[in-house]
Formats: sequence, C-alpha cells, structure tokens
Amino acid sequence: NAGVMQNPRHLVRRRGQEARLRCSPMKGHSHVYWYRQLPEEGLKFMVYLQKENIIDESGMPKERFSAEFPKEGPSILRIQQVVRGDSAAYFCASSLGVGSPLHFGNGTRLTVT
Amino acid sequence: GIQVEQSPPDLILQEGANSTLRCNFSDSVNNLQWFHQNPWGQLINLFYIPSGTKQNGRLSATTVATERYSLLYISSSQTTDSGVYFCAVEKIQGAQKLVFGQGTRLTINP
Repeated sequence: NAGVMQNPRHLVRRRGQEARLRCSPMKGHSHVYWYRQLPEEGLKFMVYLQKENIIDESGMPKERFSAEFPKEGPSILRIQQVVRGDSAAYFCASSLGVGSPLHFGNGTRLTVT
Repeated sequence: GIQVEQSPPDLILQEGANSTLRCNFSDSVNNLQWFHQNPWGQLINLFYIPSGTKQNGRLSATTVATERYSLLYISSSQTTDSGVYFCAVEKIQGAQKLVFGQGTRLTINP
C-alpha cells in the first residue's frame, strides 16, 4: 500500500497520559500535514512540516501539542497530559507540495477517558 | 478568515439518482479540493480544482472562481457513494492550510 500510513488506528489514553501518533507519507511526498476532526465537524488544520522543519504550526494549541518530521522515520504528533477535550480523530496528509492534491491517511481515533 | 458553506447539509437519494452538491466560499481562492469521507472515516481526495471543470468516471466538478462557488456532480449514484462530502479551500497556495466546510452527508438507499 503506497498510501499515507497512520498508526495506531485507535488509541485510548487516561487523562494526564501522553499520546503519540505516527504518520508515514506517501512514497515520494516530503510535505506532511496534521489535521484534527472533532465529532460531526469538518477538519481543522494543525501543522505543516517538511523533513526536519516545521513550516506552519499556526493551528496547533500553544501547550501540550508538538509535532516533528525527522530526517529518518515517520512524522510524530505528540500530545502531553491529555485531557477529555483532546478526544478526536487526527488525520495526517501528504502532498508533493504547493499546487498538488492532499492525500489523507485513515486517521487515528484518540479517546481520552 | 475565509468562510466555506456547503449545501445541502443532508441528502437522501435512491440508487441510480443524480445529485449536485454546492460549495460557496467568501473570498478568492487558489486551492480548492473535494473529499469524500466514507462511513468508515476514510478521506479520499476526489478533485483538486481551483478553477474549471474536471471529470472522473461518474463524478465531475466545476469551480467558478470569479463567482466563488464550486459544484460536485454525482451521476447514477451507488450505495458506496454514501458518506460525507467536504469542500476545502485555501486563499493563497502555500501551506495547504485548507479551510473545510461542514460537509454534505449523502445517503444512497438501495
């Protein structure tokens, strides 16, 4: 499967724990994006990364959330000290760059208990 | 920021029917994409269409950028077309910082 790969598919965390979401872009894509979807809503942009660089993180909450896309390995979205309001579907997407379509992974459904 | 309105919010049709979904946006855009979210939550890119018309099988899309709207046409609907259709736009091509509409929920009954 040459699509965008996300894991885990489902993640359950207790309040106060850390959540780590992983994303491998489509082969040949070097631009990675993270979006969040709350129940019954559209997706909202969080962050745009290229290898080893955060290009735009204007949609990221100021605290507890961080993202990285290292030289080797998948992109990671990290949420520290999760709260119930973090429960959502987190989608990763990749593209060839400006002017090209966005391709999404299957998402990670995070549930905070 | 830019506003995106999709209509209708819900649409229920019989298999074989045709449908038109509309997306209005409040400002000029250089990036417009249509997505289908199936009942399992997967998001599929249908079209990258900042202007003009494109067709892919039973689906086609038209964006009239000067009038700030886009239309998605689905012909001869099948039950597998069910799901939520999202329009997403970006004013300036760049960060793919797409603004999504609230979606149109399409249900195709057999």
